[in-house]
Amino acid sequence: NAGVTQTPKFQVLKTGQSMTLQCAQDMNHNSMYWYRQDPGMGLRLIYYSASEGTTDKGEVPNGYNVSRLNKREFSLRLESAAPSQTSVYFCASKAQPGTSSSYNEQFFGPGTRLTVL
Amino acid sequence: SQQGEEDPQALSIQEGENATMNCSYKTSINNLQWYRQNSGRGLVHLILIRSNEREKHSGRLRVTLDTSKKSSSLLITASRAADTASYFCATDTGNQFYFGTGTSLTVIP
Repeated sequence: NAGVTQTPKFQVLKTGQSMTLQCAQDMNHNSMYWYRQDPGMGLRLIYYSASEGTTDKGEVPNGYNVSRLNKREFSLRLESAAPSQTSVYFCASKAQPGTSSSYNEQFFGPGTRLTVL
Repeated sequence: SQQGEEDPQALSIQEGENATMNCSYKTSINNLQWYRQNSGRGLVHLILIRSNEREKHSGRLRVTLDTSKKSSSLLITASRAADTASYFCATDTGNQFYFGTGTSLTVIP
């Protein structure tokens, strides 16, 4: 199993450009999450999807949109990138309660390092 | 912000010593978890303690939880150079996780 995969690993954008960050998991997890990590700020939740077909805002959703394409895939889109969105983006997934002994644990991808100039 | 705070921000110890890091949080929780992040990598789950538990052990890890003070601590005993990483607490409120700001641990061989 690959676990949680993210593409791309690195990206440089100019202000105003758009892009989509891709995330996929092969663990049959119901819940998926997008976080951003900034120096000294820990991880902050952007959006999450508790199950296929649903998405909800997290702590810092402004400037982002998400799509839960199917159970495996959860994408994050920046419509008009801004320098304040320079960050490392992590995708994570979590099993449905009752389906696994580790259902409270989040599994993280390796991250996408995004720079907006 | 719902984020928790971790203390200290950075910690440097000699191999073999114990490392203690603390986490304070703001919300009511279902459970609290600790994660580890090696430089340039994603986070890896270490241990979970439920809101009705006060202490939990896993190998060289010991976690305590005081819900009245909204605080937790992580103790790593007999540290190794390979324990060098950042450590984050995360509070699980049911739908969302709130991560602390992290403690950067350096273990000197």
